[in-house]
Amino acid sequence: QQKVQQSPESLIVPEGGMASLNCTSSDRNVDYFWWYRQHSGKSPKMLMSIFSNGEKEEGRFTVHLNKASLHTSLHIRDSQPSDSALYLCAARISGSFNKLTFGAGTRLAVCP
Amino acid sequence: EAAVTQSPRNKVTVTGGNVTLSCRQTNSHNYMYWYRQDTGHGLRLIHYSYGAGNLQIGDVPDGYKATRTTQEDFFLLLELASPSQTSLYFCASSDKGREQYFGPGTRLTVL
Repeated sequence: QQKVQQSPESLIVPEGGMASLNCTSSDRNVDYFWWYRQHSGKSPKMLMSIFSNGEKEEGRFTVHLNKASLHTSLHIRDSQPSDSALYLCAARISGSFNKLTFGAGTRLAVCP
Repeated sequence: EAAVTQSPRNKVTVTGGNVTLSCRQTNSHNYMYWYRQDTGHGLRLIHYSYGAGNLQIGDVPDGYKATRTTQEDFFLLLELASPSQTSLYFCASSDKGREQYFGPGTRLTVL
């Protein structure tokens, strides 16, 4: 069983809408969460990271973290067709030589 | 922008064949990683390294060897390739605690 669970598996939102993606770790030793975005046929690229409880905003993207429940979420407002991609959540285990465990991803489609 | 290159970009081999995938980073990063990506599994870590001569076992190491010859170069070896190793392979590099930069990927097919 994967230690990092993402939901939903796929998501369709209209252009201009809000997309909300979820990620939970089952390993209590996680100290850092990362969100990566992978466009079709491309390699993953880091979008945002978070390690403190609360919220972090960068442009149209907002990440939330609840460390008690080991749950993070990514919210994309005013979604654009260019946001259509596979979104991967990764968790870093404390003291693990920077080892990341990735979830299976959420595939987002933004329809014009 | 950090640079990670991989070769070959595509490889077809037969069951039982030997395959070496190469990765080079010019970012002066200490950490390098090999992942495989399969539908429904996201990215799964095979092996990683925090410096020349160092090797750490990842989550799906069976059937794979790796070697880090220099700070820049990290190799993944499949000595007896099997069809289950057909996948998209990514190499990445990072500093400790910082984002990982991924290469363009190598698509491997084992017939």
